[in-house]
Amino acid sequence: ETAVFQTPNYHVTQVGNEVSFNCKQTLGHDTMYWYKQDSKKLLKIMFSYNNKQLIVNETVPRRFSPQSSDKAHLNLRIKSVEPEDSAVYLCASSYYTGQLYFGEGSKLTVL
Amino acid sequence: GQQVQQSPASLVLQEGENAELQCNFSSTATQLQWFYQRPGGSLVSLLYNPSGTKHTGRLTSTTVTKERRSSLHISSSQITDSGTYFCAMEPGANTGKLTFGHGTILRVHP
Repeated sequence: ETAVFQTPNYHVTQVGNEVSFNCKQTLGHDTMYWYKQDSKKLLKIMFSYNNKQLIVNETVPRRFSPQSSDKAHLNLRIKSVEPEDSAVYLCASSYYTGQLYFGEGSKLTVL
Repeated sequence: GQQVQQSPASLVLQEGENAELQCNFSSTATQLQWFYQRPGGSLVSLLYNPSGTKHTGRLTSTTVTKERRSSLHISSSQITDSGTYFCAMEPGANTGKLTFGHGTILRVHP
């Protein structure tokens, strides 16, 4: 049962374009996350928000920016994509320090 | 160094055999979770087990916090169990982030 919804699930774009991924959770959780999964399947956290407050901001390029309108939504914007941004971006939610639930992922291909 | 180490990196089984996946971590874990991912699929939470033993269906996880390790036992494996299994832990209290291992790729043959 999917309760973390991501759109779009696939996106192909060219270097320099702007991309946005949207994420919404219906679980009533107070914390949301963005993870990046690279071609080797390694998962790394990028950002996390707790009640709309940024609590984790790993070392990611400045072209990445999270946007949270409320605790149920966390979007990810990439201002000017680079080839190395090709990856799967996974949104997740939880109660703070609790069990994580992931969305289906948004696969980005940068040509 | 890598904070979460999983072994084996890959495992091939005949249908019906049991699997034992290991996860070792370099710092105290306040949270420990096992995930499953089918090729091209999403991450599915299997077990949330920061300490002790938990069961769900054919899965059993045992986490020994003091020894900084966790295991996932899959009994009577099925072809549909094939995929990648990830262990993830929170290194320290209330950091708000999970650190993932590299995963164990499981292939179950008929």
